[in-house]
Order: sequence, then C-alpha cells, then structure tokens
Amino acid sequence: AQSVAQPEDQVNVAEGNPLTVKCTYSVSGNPYLFWYVQYPNRGLQFLLKYITGDNLVKGSYGFEAEFNKSQTSFHLKKPSALVSDSALYFCAVREGGDSNYQLIWGAGTKLIIKP
Amino acid sequence: KAGVTQTPRYLIKTRGQQVTLSCSPISGHRSVSWYQQTPGQGLQFLFEYFSETQRNKGNFPGRFSGRQFSNSRSEMNVSTLELGDSALYLCASSPGLALTDTQYFGPGTRLTVL
Repeated sequence: AQSVAQPEDQVNVAEGNPLTVKCTYSVSGNPYLFWYVQYPNRGLQFLLKYITGDNLVKGSYGFEAEFNKSQTSFHLKKPSALVSDSALYFCAVREGGDSNYQLIWGAGTKLIIKP
Repeated sequence: KAGVTQTPRYLIKTRGQQVTLSCSPISGHRSVSWYQQTPGQGLQFLFEYFSETQRNKGNFPGRFSGRQFSNSRSEMNVSTLELGDSALYLCASSPGLALTDTQYFGPGTRLTVL
C-alpha cells in the first residue's frame, strides 16, 4: 500500500539558516511526489513536484526538493530561511500505474522560523 | 486564470442540521477533490469527481455526499451534522486524471458545528 511519512511534527530553524523538511514514501511503482504549503486559515499552495528526470526539483519561493530513490525520500529544502516561511508543509505521493489516481498525504510538518 | 473558489468561507450550524458547500474549479479543470482538515486528523480525502462521476471516495459515513455539475462546479453536502464535523473543508481542482496533474486548492470553508 502507498504511504507517506513526515517524521517531524515540527521543525524549528533560525532565520537565515538552511531548512529541511523531511518526507519519505512507500509505493510499488514509480512515485510522483508533491510538496504543498499552508499558511494559517488558508488553503494549500502548490510548491513543487517530481515526476521524472533531474533529482533536484526547484519550486516556488526559493524552495527545492531532492528526490532520492534509494532512500525513498523527497526532502524539501531552502538555503536561507525567512520568517515568512513559517507555515504547515505537506508532502504527497501518487503511484505510477495506480488507476485510482488518488494522492496520499503526509500528516504535515509545522515549520517555525525564529528571527 | 482565476483560482479555485469556495463558498461560503465561514459557516456556523447546529447539530442535526445539514449544510451544502460549493466549489468552482479553475477554468478548464475537470477534476474536483474534497478534503476535510482537522487539527487531530490532518488532511483526509472525502471524494473526487471527474466529468460528473464520483471516481474515488474516502472513508467517511454516508452523511457526506457530493456531486459535480456539467460545468465542473462541485458541491458537497453533509446531513445530520455532528460536533465532530467541525473542520476546514478544502476543495482542489486539477486538469484531469493524469498521475502527474497538480491539484490546486481553494481557500476552504470553515464549518463550525455547535
């Protein structure tokens, strides 16, 4: 069965430092991976996705994610954190060949950037 | 293009009532998905519609239902509301059913059941 894990409920980073939000997945076929961000009282905003090709995917707001097939991970990264990056981050996966097309969501990671 | 819109944004109901939420997808998008978000349970999939047909359904009781119209607009209905139905209800649209399609979310409807 497909699954996504975000092992950290919360990540605290000082402003200006690099940040990483972790995501691991489990699928049988090829994974299609997505990252979303949610600001308070707002809907989810799409950040980036991995479909195929280059393992380093660049997205919105300076975020990037690295696909690692051997470690089944898709960690979200940013070289220099901003206070405005504080939000809830969700990782999601679809499995190639899955006729249900359903996105499987992680539980979310709260990112807190301290000034 | 305009984004996904959801109406109303906020709703207060009492137990036993029913509620209908509306979602207008991005123009040209034919797939609409609904999610319930609560602090305790996170993001939970309700159902997905494509071309007026329900394609997937999450693990929710029959009190939760939905439909999609020919213009791809979608509604979800919750009957006999319970306190536990208080949540943020999110709608997302995508172009179609490709595995690579991105879902784009609306701002949500905050439902409070008293």
